[in-house]
Amino acid sequence: AQSVTQLGSHVSVSEGALVLLRCNYSSSVPPYLFWYVQYPNQGLQLLLKYTSAATLVKGINGFEAEFKKSETSFHLTKPSAHMSDAAEYFCAVSDRDGGFKTIFGAGTRLFVKA
Amino acid sequence: DTAVSQTPKYLVTQMGNDKSIKCEQNLGHDTMYWYKQDSKKFLKIMFSYNNKELIINETVPNRFSPKSPDKAHLNLHINSLELGDSAVYFCASSLQGELYGYTFGSGTRLTVV
Repeated sequence: AQSVTQLGSHVSVSEGALVLLRCNYSSSVPPYLFWYVQYPNQGLQLLLKYTSAATLVKGINGFEAEFKKSETSFHLTKPSAHMSDAAEYFCAVSDRDGGFKTIFGAGTRLFVKA
Repeated sequence: DTAVSQTPKYLVTQMGNDKSIKCEQNLGHDTMYWYKQDSKKFLKIMFSYNNKELIINETVPNRFSPKSPDKAHLNLHINSLELGDSAVYFCASSLQGELYGYTFGSGTRLTVV
């Protein structure tokens, strides 16, 4: 069965600094991987997805993630944090063996300091 | 304009009551979902429908009953509400299964008192 682990329930960065949110997955077959962002009192919004094409995936708001099969990782990065990036970020995995059911990680809360 | 809309946004009710949450999507998606988000932000899938057919039915108390009258609508009815049902319930939709990612509604915050 597939699973996803997000390392760090809280990450704090200064405005303008690099954002790195870590995600490791477990899947017995090629996975489909996603990052979502949730702003307070809102639903989740898809940031980017990996579906077996290019390993470096670019998303909205300047975020990107790299699929590394050898490390079973799909970390999310952004070169320069902005105050508006403060939110909850969820990594998610889906695969054929899981009936394409999407499993979400526990989430990482990103704080951005002025 | 709203892609996935849920009503109501807030629901406060007493234990033992029955309530419904409605969801509609205008994206032409063929699959819809209900997720429950608890107070620690953990998201758990409850149900999924594809073209009105139930395809995912997780271990959820049978007090929860989804209904999909057509592929654009998915409602959730909850009988005999309990304190532990308090959470945010999200509706989501996708095209051709899960491969393209979901579009989420803005959520329904259910508080059982």
